[in-house]
Amino acid sequence: QSVLTQPPSASGTPGQRVTISCSGSNSNIGRNIVNWYQKLPGTAPKLLIYSNDQRPSGVPDRFSGSKSGTSASLAISGLQSEDEADYYCATWDDSLSGHVVFGGGTKLTVL
Amino acid sequence: QVQLQESGPGLVKPSETLSLTCTVSGASMSSYYWSWVRQAPGKGLEWIGYFYDSGTTSNNPSLQSRVSISVDRSKNQFSLKLRSVTAADSAVYYCASDYGGNSMFEYWGQGTLVTVSS
Repeated sequence: QSVLTQPPSASGTPGQRVTISCSGSNSNIGRNIVNWYQKLPGTAPKLLIYSNDQRPSGVPDRFSGSKSGTSASLAISGLQSEDEADYYCATWDDSLSGHVVFGGGTKLTVL
Repeated sequence: QVQLQESGPGLVKPSETLSLTCTVSGASMSSYYWSWVRQAPGKGLEWIGYFYDSGTTSNNPSLQSRVSISVDRSKNQFSLKLRSVTAADSAVYYCASDYGGNSMFEYWGQGTLVTVSS
């Protein structure tokens, strides 16, 4: 059971906009930045969004992040087939002397 | 460009110690929180812990008593030891660089599969 709650699955058709939520609490998202990762099968995770809403260089502006209170969201606009992947949110949790927590992951299917 | 590369045995016996090393190139060992993350088959990502420059460490509370992470600056490497392993510790293990120690993993190794089996 992950500390951060994500929907297990999401889907959309090419060109659509999809959002993936990440729900936490005051000890994690409520106090700390959220980062998002894209995970393709057989490859290492890739940093997609950092510090809630910042894109690393090379990440298309179709990807955007936001945070409000104890929840965060990843939005993907102009959905493309290559966006089919698992997406994870992550943040620091201040409980138990502090530690990193990941969401359970959301499998995005492009129909 | 920062590059990370994991190395270590792909098979570990139950109750023994899993030992992995990550070799870093392109970055100072003082620049990041050097971290380990794993993914068991069919499961999500799980943070294991990190080591930072001055000797600061932090580990996943669920693994805390079994984990130790250390850095060898002379070799530009950091290592993971996970004691008393069981089949539940079978996973792909990734080393990663965390900028700021707050889950911003900028660079990752390609991952190494470790299976716990007799």
